[in-house]
Amino acid sequence: SQQGEEDPQALSIQEGENATMNCSYKTSINNLQWYRQNSGRGLVHLILIRSNEREKHSGRLRVTLDTSKKSSSLLITASRAADTASYFCAPSRGGGADGLTFGKGTHLIIQP
Amino acid sequence: DAGVIQSPRHEVTEMGQEVTLRCKPISGHDYLFWYRQTMMRGLELLIYFNNNVPIDDSGMPEDRFSAKMPNASFSTLKIQPSEPRDSAVYFCASMAYGGAGTGELFFGEGSRLTVL
Repeated sequence: SQQGEEDPQALSIQEGENATMNCSYKTSINNLQWYRQNSGRGLVHLILIRSNEREKHSGRLRVTLDTSKKSSSLLITASRAADTASYFCAPSRGGGADGLTFGKGTHLIIQP
Repeated sequence: DAGVIQSPRHEVTEMGQEVTLRCKPISGHDYLFWYRQTMMRGLELLIYFNNNVPIDDSGMPEDRFSAKMPNASFSTLKIQPSEPRDSAVYFCASMAYGGAGTGELFFGEGSRLTVL
């Protein structure tokens, strides 16, 4: 398995604004997952995008994948205080079957 | 389903003591993962099982760490003897593997270990 690198490490925005965070990885993948971790809690799966997909939506989340650049982005629109959390990407060749590994994440703070 | 259940949620122990962390995965899930999270090192994959068999334990830091999965509904992570640098939050996660390499992880709430 390989580890993604999230960027930026920290992001602070006003409530209602959009938040964008990025993920880069090194080798070819079959899919990439995004997870959220609220303070003191376990990670929660947000969305999975396959290597043959370029964009995927889920509610206020929009994920893009550019396999030529080995990068992905997560956009959260109309941010809310409850979106304050750390966000992690997990690129993978075999899904969780090859053991997902995580980077340090992007710590997002939504200011009221 | 109640989700992945971990116990204890908090453990404070003294250096040299044995620590046992427990995990009950979601019923029907065939993969189980143990992670450790610290501020310095982030989230580290320690070991994972498929159908109760350890697949990769290369992330286990030392021989002081051991993990077992005696059946599909229970796993333990043991540290003996414990050291202050083992202080961390330990997460268990489970997964039902789908076709075409998919599969999302479901995490427990973690066990926060403090070794004095």
